[in-house]
Amino acid sequence: DAGVIQSPRHEVTEMGQEVTLRCKPISGHNSLFWYRQTMMRGLELLIYFNNNVPIDDSGMPEDRFSAKMPNASFSTLKIQPSEPRDSAVYFCASRSDSNQPQHFGDGTRLSIL
Amino acid sequence: KNEVEQSPQNLTAQEGEFITINCSYSVGISALHWLQQHPGGGIVSLFMLSSGKKKHGRLIATINIQEKHSSLHITASHPRDSAVYICAVWEYGNKLVFGAGTILRVKS
Repeated sequence: DAGVIQSPRHEVTEMGQEVTLRCKPISGHNSLFWYRQTMMRGLELLIYFNNNVPIDDSGMPEDRFSAKMPNASFSTLKIQPSEPRDSAVYFCASRSDSNQPQHFGDGTRLSIL
Repeated sequence: KNEVEQSPQNLTAQEGEFITINCSYSVGISALHWLQQHPGGGIVSLFMLSSGKKKHGRLIATINIQEKHSSLHITASHPRDSAVYICAVWEYGNKLVFGAGTILRVKS
């Protein structure tokens, strides 16, 4: 059974470029979470969706960040324009309901030069 | 003061030892998570609990809602348990707050 699939695994790009991170949750899971992890701030929840609807985006750092979930099997996190301080590992996770644990993807390591 | 405090920050143990990692929080919560992050970076959710105690293999997690405290115990520790253990709480109002993590190293 495939787990949460994130792409790309690594991304290196220059500041000012648009970055799109992708996530495919586990089939049948109805909640999806985007996290960011840095050495300075640790893990932070950016946004989460229930049944494709954004529930809480208070963790999104600024307007340069946007997330969408057009259907139950796909979500994107977009940064435009990117800045060096956005360099981090971005994790996606999904769960089947609020009483179940989250399953994490392997993360996308993003470096903005 | 962080809303979620973990202790110790670093822990080195000998194989076979009983290990306890603590998590204290200062807000009302609906649930608490224990996560494990291996040196390669992957994250695994170990437990989600809102009361009492849960056990999975050699891992035990407890929570005391009145004292706002949770513990993660590892029995018969093994070098493969070496990882960062992270406590996270769901505050009322759907805000998820993470502790800074405990770095565990188990030596053989």
